[in-house]
Amino acid sequence: RKEVEQDPGPFNVPEGATVAFNCTYSNSASQSFFWYRQDCRKEPKLLMSVYSSGNEDGRFTAQLNRASQYISLLIRDSKLSDSATYLCVVPNYGGSQGNLIFGKGTKLSVKP
Amino acid sequence: EPEVTQTPSHQVTQMGQEVILRCVPISNHLYFYWYRQILGQKVEFLVSFYNNEISEKSEIFDDQFSVERPDGSNFTLKIRSTKLEDSAMYFCASTGEGTQYFGPGTRLLVL
Repeated sequence: RKEVEQDPGPFNVPEGATVAFNCTYSNSASQSFFWYRQDCRKEPKLLMSVYSSGNEDGRFTAQLNRASQYISLLIRDSKLSDSATYLCVVPNYGGSQGNLIFGKGTKLSVKP
Repeated sequence: EPEVTQTPSHQVTQMGQEVILRCVPISNHLYFYWYRQILGQKVEFLVSFYNNEISEKSEIFDDQFSVERPDGSNFTLKIRSTKLEDSAMYFCASTGEGTQYFGPGTRLLVL
């Protein structure tokens, strides 16, 4: 059974802090990986895609370690608006058109 | 920016009743999906749809569920006889170039 495991959280951090989330996946055939963000009672929204060793977008950095089947998400200079649940997501069959397997998510709460 | 839309946003029904959840995927997308999320749990895949037929379904998607693309824009999920445990948020998603975009969801409550 293919699984995606994440840090349980919750992470409570002050504004400006750097926070990192970890994720491990069991499907070694996966070629693409995603971090989605989900606000309370809302739909998942794509935050970052990771296709090679990593990806950086402003304050957000995602890193991939294929040998260890491990993905991380780093958020620098946390903002109040970063408060959400962060979902590690892996396609079931490696390709991006396949169905997605979601982790349970890690909740982040950024305090003033 | 194009987006996936879903109706209704909320649905309350009695156990045993049929419900139809509606979705309008992004117009040039070819792959469509339904996922559900029970309160406090992870998002779970139900079914994928491509070229007017089901391409994959999960164990959750039993005979009580069906999907249809009745016209060129709508994509529906029908639950024939709802159970209490069907209460969840149902998300529709579509993809064109690899990223799955999710609709805002329909919150279904079965009493």
